[in-house]
Amino acid sequence: DQQVKQNSPSLSVQEGRISILNCDYTNSMFDYFLWYKKYPAEGPTFLISISSIKDKNEDGRFTVFLNKSAKHLSLHIVPSQPGDSAVYFCAASVSNTGNQFYFGTGTSLTVIP
Amino acid sequence: DTGVSQDPRHKITKRGQNVTFRCDPISEHNRLYWYRQTLGQGPEFLTYFQNEAQLEKSRLLSDRFSAERPKGSFSTLEIQRTEQGDSAMYLCASSFPLQEQYGYTFGSGTRLTVV
Repeated sequence: DQQVKQNSPSLSVQEGRISILNCDYTNSMFDYFLWYKKYPAEGPTFLISISSIKDKNEDGRFTVFLNKSAKHLSLHIVPSQPGDSAVYFCAASVSNTGNQFYFGTGTSLTVIP
Repeated sequence: DTGVSQDPRHKITKRGQNVTFRCDPISEHNRLYWYRQTLGQGPEFLTYFQNEAQLEKSRLLSDRFSAERPKGSFSTLEIQRTEQGDSAMYLCASSFPLQEQYGYTFGSGTRLTVV
């Protein structure tokens, strides 16, 4: 059972425009959400996180929005740069239960120069 | 300490052989995780350690899989009698406990191909 879903396998965006990556989850117990970025032949790298007590967290060009009622989160990248081209994974966890994260299947972002 | 190290980076083995992978976490991190990622999927949790204690195992971790973390430092993941379905990227990660907001630090993974 896939508890975290990323329904868009790929996304292409022009350089300088906004990239919006979406993620849905089913487990209402999840209270921490993270986005990871992955380049080929490398492990995922942590990008940004949000706790369920917030609805927005911003770090430079990256903003994550959380809508708990809809069980939906999104990652906004503004402005998008060619170096942002990678696979982005959404992950969720229930805190204080061992820190196990459940990952989505990823969205491959291509930023076109 | 430059991060989480995994060895080997690639392993090709014949079906039925045993393989062992090693992970060296960030030295200050006392939690260590093993995940598996197959093509087109996100990483799936296998098991985790806090110090030397293995605290949780996924049902994905069949009895052919065993993980150890002697002395709470490096960890090994062994797969016995490999099957073609074991072909995947095996990712190790480490973290401090109760710091979910920082996520894990992943290694670059070991890609296993069973032929």
